[in-house]
Amino acid sequence: SQTIHQWPATLVQPVGSPLSLECTVEGTSNPNLYWYRQAAGRGLQLLFYSVGIGQISSEVPQNLSASRPQDRQFILSSKKLLLSDSGFYLCAWSVLEPAGEQYFGPGTRLTVT
Amino acid sequence: AQRVTQPEKLLSVFKGAPVELKCNYSYSGSPELFWYVQYSRQRLQLLLRHISRESIKGFTADLNKGETSFHLKKPFAQEEDSAMYYCAISGGGADGLTFGKGTHLIIQP
Repeated sequence: SQTIHQWPATLVQPVGSPLSLECTVEGTSNPNLYWYRQAAGRGLQLLFYSVGIGQISSEVPQNLSASRPQDRQFILSSKKLLLSDSGFYLCAWSVLEPAGEQYFGPGTRLTVT
Repeated sequence: AQRVTQPEKLLSVFKGAPVELKCNYSYSGSPELFWYVQYSRQRLQLLLRHISRESIKGFTADLNKGETSFHLKKPFAQEEDSAMYYCAISGGGADGLTFGKGTHLIIQP
């Protein structure tokens, strides 16, 4: 069966420090991968999605970047964190059919101090 | 741009009462609509999608294109229905989902 992992579960980082969040999927090949963020008082916002290795689409301009070095690995990064980067980050995967059915990881709670 | 509006942040009803969680959307085209649910200490998961026209855990949702709505309904609420509910829209294919801000449903005994 398919599983999705995210780590770390929680992270507290100072402003200006770098960030690396990792997401891996098991049990499926060539999944579509997604990064979402949920900030306080806001809904889930799509940040990046990827349909294959090295292919990244950004939905909103921001202080973050994403990479997909392997088929089932998706990384969210920042060179210098801002206070506004605090939030709950979710990774998800899907296959094209059935469209829209996405499977979510447990999330990472990031607090920038 | 596509948008999903869930007007209620919090909805509290008594066990056995009917439940309706509202969702309105804006999208230029033929969207696909979904309801996702997150129970306490569990991951966000798909509850139902409009193309399936199915009932899951007693919940149904009808897409009303005229009113651009996709309200979630259940005739008799149960305590285990307490959770965060998110309405979401997709343009199809590999596109990500656009979520509403969510409604926290509390079922009181």
